[in-house]
Amino acid sequence: EIVLTQSPGTLSLSPGERATLSCRASQSVSSSYLAWYQQKPGQAPRLLIYGASSRATGIPDRFSGSGSGTDFTLTISRLEPEDFAVYYCQQYGSSPAWTFGQGTKVEIK
Amino acid sequence: EVQLVESGGGLVQPGGSLRLSCAASGFTFSSYAMHWVRQAPGKGLEYVSAISSNGGSTYYANSVKGRFTISRDNSKNTLYLQMGSLRAEDMAVYYCARDVGFLEWLLTYWGQGTLVTVSS
Repeated sequence: EIVLTQSPGTLSLSPGERATLSCRASQSVSSSYLAWYQQKPGQAPRLLIYGASSRATGIPDRFSGSGSGTDFTLTISRLEPEDFAVYYCQQYGSSPAWTFGQGTKVEIK
Repeated sequence: EVQLVESGGGLVQPGGSLRLSCAASGFTFSSYAMHWVRQAPGKGLEYVSAISSNGGSTYYANSVKGRFTISRDNSKNTLYLQMGSLRAEDMAVYYCARDVGFLEWLLTYWGQGTLVTVSS
């Protein structure tokens, strides 16, 4: 089973700043099948990025994903107030794809 | 518009049973695999179970294997999760989610969740 480790646990930033979130896998993720989800308090998760770098429908271009193999990054170029949330990575390249990362909380500084 | 609406959550005693439902609309339900994912209070996301589009393949996390059963009724556009021998650690918000395809494990749409509370 692939274990995903996200860092940092919490990121304290101000609106307008750049956020860089990391997701490291315990073994190589097949074909960059790595996704990122955003979850706001009291809401369901929402798919942001799939295939490591493709934005899901309706996701603003300030969100970008990169990486391959075992190291992946989610970047939010300029934080908007609505971006403060918890972000999870998930690998879906190996079936069954049980694994989510433990989450990174992006909070207002 | 894709909609997933969970129901059936509530308070149940340890050792009890509960059946969750997820009513789907806005897409061809029978063409997509479906999943259940849960989130304990203040915790992260945990996969529970998955089912292929025709119901022929099912998967369970080790933590629920033998106690939970996933099923679907494509004629009713509804996904189910039968939960038995419930434990305190099963207390969580349970989300149903739609796969991007037949069983690719990418969750493109999520319901709002239903809360299961296990307590005496």
